[in-house]
Amino acid sequence: EVQLVESGGGLVQPGGSLRLSCSASGFTLNADPMHWVRQGPGKGLEYVSAISRNGGTTYYADSVKGRFTISRDISKNTLYLQMSSLRDEDTAVYYCVKEGPHGSGSFGYYDYWGQGTLVTVSS
Amino acid sequence: DIQMTQSPSTLSASVGDRVTITCRASQSISSWLAWYQQKPGKAPKLLIYRASSLESGVPSRFSGSGSGTEFTLTISSLQPDDFATYYCQQYNSYPGTFGQGTKVEIK
Repeated sequence: EVQLVESGGGLVQPGGSLRLSCSASGFTLNADPMHWVRQGPGKGLEYVSAISRNGGTTYYADSVKGRFTISRDISKNTLYLQMSSLRDEDTAVYYCVKEGPHGSGSFGYYDYWGQGTLVTVSS
Repeated sequence: DIQMTQSPSTLSASVGDRVTITCRASQSISSWLAWYQQKPGKAPKLLIYRASSLESGVPSRFSGSGSGTEFTLTISSLQPDDFATYYCQQYNSYPGTFGQGTKVEIK
């Protein structure tokens, strides 16, 4: 059974840093591209970042480019999101998501989601 | 980025009703559209991908249709467990973008 479990969220001051982790089980992280998606309080869903199946290519939404870094450790089957220079507008629940097998080739849909971890940026 | 617009934003319905939610794309996305269901405090759950393909384990009362720029999610007979917020997502091009959501409430 595929499971994704996020951790690392919390309260951080504007300008601060935080690293999110996503522990995967039931599959290996090099089987499918992996993404981070966030949801601000009372808001909709927003793509944040993705990493390719082989880990060689990373992608970022314009809103986080230059501030966030996605990475993974295959030996630990864990996905990470290093967040720095955090802003108030980064406050959200962050979901670790797995791409489904029938994507368009340009992007994918999400067949498995973690439970989410809350990041609050506030002074 | 491709803009996705859902309508209505809120829908009030009764158990047993047939419910239809519409999602429109700002440009053609072929059939590269997914639908998700989200309940309060929970992660979204995939219902449909490629506009009309039902994800394994999803009840058959859910169906999707459309191509190009206009898509619909239909619940043939609304059940108590279906009261939730529904999101569409296009994955035709980078970055994948979501609609703003449709909340299905109890009438």
